[in-house]
Amino acid sequence: EVQLVQSGAEVKKPGESLKISCKGSGYSFTSYWIGWVRQMPGKGLEWMGIMYPGDSDTKYSPSFQGQVTMSADKSISSAYLQWSSLKASDTAMYYCARGGQQLVNGDYYFYGMDVWGQGTTVTVSS
Amino acid sequence: DIVMTQSPDSLAVSLGERATVNCKSSQSVLSSSNNKNYLAWFQQKPGQPPKLLIYWASTRESGVPDRFSGSASGTDFTLTISSLQTEDVAVYYCQQYYTNPWTFGQGTKVEIK
Repeated sequence: EVQLVQSGAEVKKPGESLKISCKGSGYSFTSYWIGWVRQMPGKGLEWMGIMYPGDSDTKYSPSFQGQVTMSADKSISSAYLQWSSLKASDTAMYYCARGGQQLVNGDYYFYGMDVWGQGTTVTVSS
Repeated sequence: DIVMTQSPDSLAVSLGERATVNCKSSQSVLSSSNNKNYLAWFQQKPGQPPKLLIYWASTRESGVPDRFSGSASGTDFTLTISSLQTEDVAVYYCQQYYTNPWTFGQGTKVEIK
């Protein structure tokens, strides 16, 4: 079964650092992009960026560029999202999701975010 | 950024009736490489992660009931639930994945009338 399992809920203080994880299984982790999506309390979905664990190629949304860092450890099929200095406004649910691709005539084409983690709740409060 | 605008923000439909959610992109999301619209629809139920329903504007994801369908006309996209069931109560989002950032619509809440 293809799945992404995220790390547990976090409660942090403003200014603290944090790294949350997303572990893939049931597929070739290095062959698919992993994206991150933020959902603030009671709000909609915001795409943060996407990373290719195979070569660490990363594309950040301009809204999140410089605010977070995406990384991966291929050896343990895990992707990470980290903050160096949290703010109260970072309080949200964070989802990782696989970037689904189809091979057509020798080229890969994205078809969307097809497998999602269960989400990690991050609460930042003094 | 490509802005995705959904309408309506919410709708209430009787069981067994048709539900239609609209999504408009501020610019084309049609790829010349494969002649596909890079537009997906997601369903999110309370307390759950989003679930991919439709990709490339009209291709149903494996396992998704065939009462869900997607269509496209230029920069206008539609998700149709042909016969609403109780388990379809959720928020539905469109998303373009044509260009960075992959933007979402604001969501449409579908309820039972």
